[in-house]
Amino acid sequence: DAGVIQSPRHEVTEMGQEVTLRCKPISGHNSLFWYRQTMMRGLELLIYFNNNVPIDDSGMPEDRFSAKMPNASFSTLKIQPSEPRDSAVYFCASSFWRGGWETQYFGPGTRLLVL
Amino acid sequence: DAKTTQPTSMDCAEGRAANLPCNHSTISGNEYVYWYRQIHSQGPQYIIHGLKNNETNEMASLIITEDRKSSTLILPHATLRDTAVYYCIATGNQFYFGTGTSLTVIP
Repeated sequence: DAGVIQSPRHEVTEMGQEVTLRCKPISGHNSLFWYRQTMMRGLELLIYFNNNVPIDDSGMPEDRFSAKMPNASFSTLKIQPSEPRDSAVYFCASSFWRGGWETQYFGPGTRLLVL
Repeated sequence: DAKTTQPTSMDCAEGRAANLPCNHSTISGNEYVYWYRQIHSQGPQYIIHGLKNNETNEMASLIITEDRKSSTLILPHATLRDTAVYYCIATGNQFYFGTGTSLTVIP
């Protein structure tokens, strides 16, 4: 099993540019989570999907952030326009939802630096 | 959602058992206790979870008190590669990772 796959692993961009982060969950999993980790705020849940449907996006910081899951094997997190304060590590995780919180398996993360 | 309280940091001698405590005094009856660890900014790694009974797997043991208000993660023979931040999570409406315990295994 390849585990959760994220791309790119590192991203350096300039303020104002659009950034797209990608995630491929573990095959067979039906829930997908996007987290952000910074030194100041720790690991925060941004949004999660069940069966490709966004369930809770209350953690999305503002309208500049958007996430989609067009099918069971792919999700994107987009930041437009990006700002220096968006610099962080972004993790994607997946699990098999049975009606409660199940074990989540994390990807290696995307390290984003916005200059 | 039940919040958890963990010590900020701990040291453990290599080869010894590492006992990491977690307080979750407001946990409700259907909330599980999960433990994850994060090694040097890698993605968090699942270790173990439990509801009421003690649990053991190839990585660790989880001891949950009878009143479920606290638990202890036990790494039976700590190695240098176990140096990491350990997160205790009480599931509720979501996984809340908190600040965790930074465990340093000392040679």
